[in-house]
Amino acid sequence: AQRVTQPEKLLSVFKGAPVELKCNYSYSGSPELFWYVQYSRQRLQLLLRHISRESIKGFTADLNKGETSFHLKKPFAQEEDSAMYYCALSSVGSARQLTFGSGTQLTVLP
Amino acid sequence: GAGVSQTPSNKVTEKGKYVELRCDPISGHTALYWYRQSLGQGPEFLIYFQGTGAADDSGLPNDRFFAVRPEGSVSTLKIQRTERGDSAVYLCASSPSPVTAYNEQFFGPGTRLTVL
Repeated sequence: AQRVTQPEKLLSVFKGAPVELKCNYSYSGSPELFWYVQYSRQRLQLLLRHISRESIKGFTADLNKGETSFHLKKPFAQEEDSAMYYCALSSVGSARQLTFGSGTQLTVLP
Repeated sequence: GAGVSQTPSNKVTEKGKYVELRCDPISGHTALYWYRQSLGQGPEFLIYFQGTGAADDSGLPNDRFFAVRPEGSVSTLKIQRTERGDSAVYLCASSPSPVTAYNEQFFGPGTRLTVL
């Protein structure tokens, strides 16, 4: 069975500091991984997907198959990054439904 | 353009009652998903529609839960004999078809269901 673990429920950093949100997964096969973000009073939205290998809002995430991790990183956190972040794994069946971690609430302090 | 919409935004009901939750996907999206998010947890998959048919309902917790999408657009999630444990935020998401690898799902704002 596929599973996503986000070990930190809460994470606080100061503005300008680096931030890393941890995500580990269990899945047999090649995983399709995503980070979704939910800003205060907004709906859940896609932040990035591992296949694109691009930086979105300064965030990057690298898939490490050996460690089964997909940590989200940003070198210099901004106050507007404060949000709930969810790591998600897609099934490979026709539905491609998402399995989400329990989320990490990031607070960037001024 | 309009995103995914869900009504009502909040629903309070009593244990044992029947409720219906509605989802209006993005126009042209034929893939539609329902998820349930309990407090402190990430969303959990309930059911997936491709067009009018429920292609995967493996996430429905029991037979009190049922969903329909009769015309391939609007979907209704129906919960019979509600229990306090059904209290959660119910999220709907839609996606363009065909559903391919790394497809983005577009989420609605959710319906917060409270069963007293």
